[in-house]
Amino acid sequence: QQPVQSPQAVILREGEDAVINCSSSKALYSVHWYRQKHGEAPVFLMILLKGGEQKGHEKISASFNEKKQQSSLYLTASQLSYSGTYFCGTEDPYNTDKLIFGTGTRLQVFP
Amino acid sequence: EPEVTQTPSHQVTQMGQEVILRCVPISNHLYFYWYRQILGQKVEFLVSFYNNEISEKSEIFDDQFSVERPDGSNFTLKIRSTKLEDSAMYFCASRRDREGYTFGSGTRLTVV
Repeated sequence: QQPVQSPQAVILREGEDAVINCSSSKALYSVHWYRQKHGEAPVFLMILLKGGEQKGHEKISASFNEKKQQSSLYLTASQLSYSGTYFCGTEDPYNTDKLIFGTGTRLQVFP
Repeated sequence: EPEVTQTPSHQVTQMGQEVILRCVPISNHLYFYWYRQILGQKVEFLVSFYNNEISEKSEIFDDQFSVERPDGSNFTLKIRSTKLEDSAMYFCASRRDREGYTFGSGTRLTVV
């Protein structure tokens, strides 16, 4: 079952913040976040393994609520380079070698 | 920085022909994967490979598909008899352990 992301698309001006949500119908072992620019491969941003864990990567951070089977990606003070499609990926406890990508969120940052 | 290398970058083939997509994962990585993406849409899992055998596969990965690690460095995906709907970008990925995946730049497969 593919994780559902919201919103489907976000348009920002440089310096604005955004939150992207990822929701699964299955119990989760881990949540990954990737960014894909047009015509390129997905690039790994971060992985979250424990419930309630929050991680940061420069101005990009994420949280993982294991009980709610949800994760959120927080982009603060967005830069032009943040533009792209963001995918969450989830592994469940019984298939930890099968990363299922979410529906994707297209983010565009304008000057 | 180490990278995953895929060849060719673009392959055009006739329907019914066999194709082999090649990947060289990062050398100390142990887990290998194939994904595909149709027209920039969702990224679909095909297969995972560990310790010289398939560990997981999706419903897409039917008898027309196979994977091999023939020589300890290359990792290949074979499609025996291509269909029009196999046209997609195919990504290889690898990882060392329970960490993020490193993806190759992909092979664009066009079936005509």
